[in-house]
Amino acid sequence: DAKTTQPPSMDCAEGRAANLPCNHSTISGNEYVYWYRQIHSQGPQYIIHGLKNNETNEMASLIITEDRKSSTLILPHATLRDTAVYYCIVRWNTGKLIFGQGTTLQVKP
Amino acid sequence: KAGVTQTPRYLIKTRGQQVTLSCSPISGHRSVSWYQQTPGQGLQFLFEYFSETQRNKGNFPGRFSGRQFSNSRSEMNVSTLELGDSALYLCASSLGQSYTGELFFGEGSRLTVL
Repeated sequence: DAKTTQPPSMDCAEGRAANLPCNHSTISGNEYVYWYRQIHSQGPQYIIHGLKNNETNEMASLIITEDRKSSTLILPHATLRDTAVYYCIVRWNTGKLIFGQGTTLQVKP
Repeated sequence: KAGVTQTPRYLIKTRGQQVTLSCSPISGHRSVSWYQQTPGQGLQFLFEYFSETQRNKGNFPGRFSGRQFSNSRSEMNVSTLELGDSALYLCASSLGQSYTGELFFGEGSRLTVL
């Protein structure tokens, strides 16, 4: 399983875009990039996933570089409720997710 | 539709005892996986079940075991509890074995070992 590298923490002003980077330089061709977040030790919440094309849903956008070695999760208008630990994970067709330490995003008023 | 349901939500045990945790996946989901979360080790994969068969297993001692029933509900058991087993145990479900969509997590069972 490929490993991911994320910055341990980031700050973002409320209302601004939050850009969370992730490095996955050893990703293989059939592995997807997933993003989850966890708030106050609740169960992780799915945000978005993608293979090689950029993806957007109601929560966020996912930008994957052409070589697929890195990606960026974009929360377009961060709110205080977006304060959480964000996990970037690579995965294929398995329920086995390898979580790293994630990025603690602090959204400040 | 109902989400992933884990019971009990909180429990306290003493060293040497055993514990059984239950997970009911989302209706129609056939794959269930379990995770342990501790402050020191973070989120770690325990095992994954699909159609009553263990498909993947993480790096945990044999005291940790699990099973899945024909209705896709799953249980995990920890025997001879140690203080270090205190953790949040999370269950996640997904549609199927080769499904590359999202995993849905429950709220977890918080185990305290005294």
